[in-house]
Amino acid sequence: QSALTQPASVSASPGQSITISCTGTSSDVGRYNYVSWYQQHPGKAPKLMIYDVSNRPSGVSNRFSGSKSGNTASLTISGLQAEDEADYYCSSYTSNSVLFGGGTKLTVL
Amino acid sequence: EVQLLESGGGLVQPGGSLRLSCAASGFTFSNYAMSWVRQAPGKGLEWVSGISNSGGSTYYADSVKGRFTISRDNSKNTLYLQMNSLRAEDTAVYYCARRIPVSGTLFDFDYWGQGTLVTVSS
Repeated sequence: QSALTQPASVSASPGQSITISCTGTSSDVGRYNYVSWYQQHPGKAPKLMIYDVSNRPSGVSNRFSGSKSGNTASLTISGLQAEDEADYYCSSYTSNSVLFGGGTKLTVL
Repeated sequence: EVQLLESGGGLVQPGGSLRLSCAASGFTFSNYAMSWVRQAPGKGLEWVSGISNSGGSTYYADSVKGRFTISRDNSKNTLYLQMNSLRAEDTAVYYCARRIPVSGTLFDFDYWGQGTLVTVSS
């Protein structure tokens, strides 16, 4: 099973919005509504931002939203803030396991 | 406060073994499925293994199947990962992670430990 495909990097200015894509296959992203997104700051453990495609855990800002179309899921961050600069990973359930994406480095200019 | 504290990492030679532990506190450990997720230096996340809340069901990534064994002791609030036949490519920070209970799968994680580094090298 190959990792899910994410862009290596994205960048934008404070206040702008960005979208990070996560492309899988019909066996993972396309088959299940179980896509999650994690934020990871350098040297820190990952933090769950979105689960089950579009649900936010308690305490996560509503500036973060998720969606899915076919084999591609997306994370959108609106009103970018400096503290959003981090690595972002998607994950998808597939047949009693989970696949992660390769990660996207978000730079807030 | 939920806490997950990994231990047991270190330097081991190729072909060697290591057992990682994850001590949980601040929640009812026996109610939650748990997993191990690793991250090689400078690389992305890779799910390694998961276990149901009772320990009755276990799951493994193809890359570790047959070499690693996940287990738990609910009386001790501790998760384990026994790693045998270690390879250089197993070098990574290993995180234990708790399943978020509201998710539709066992593999979405709301709390993570700080990780323990495993280095496989001669």
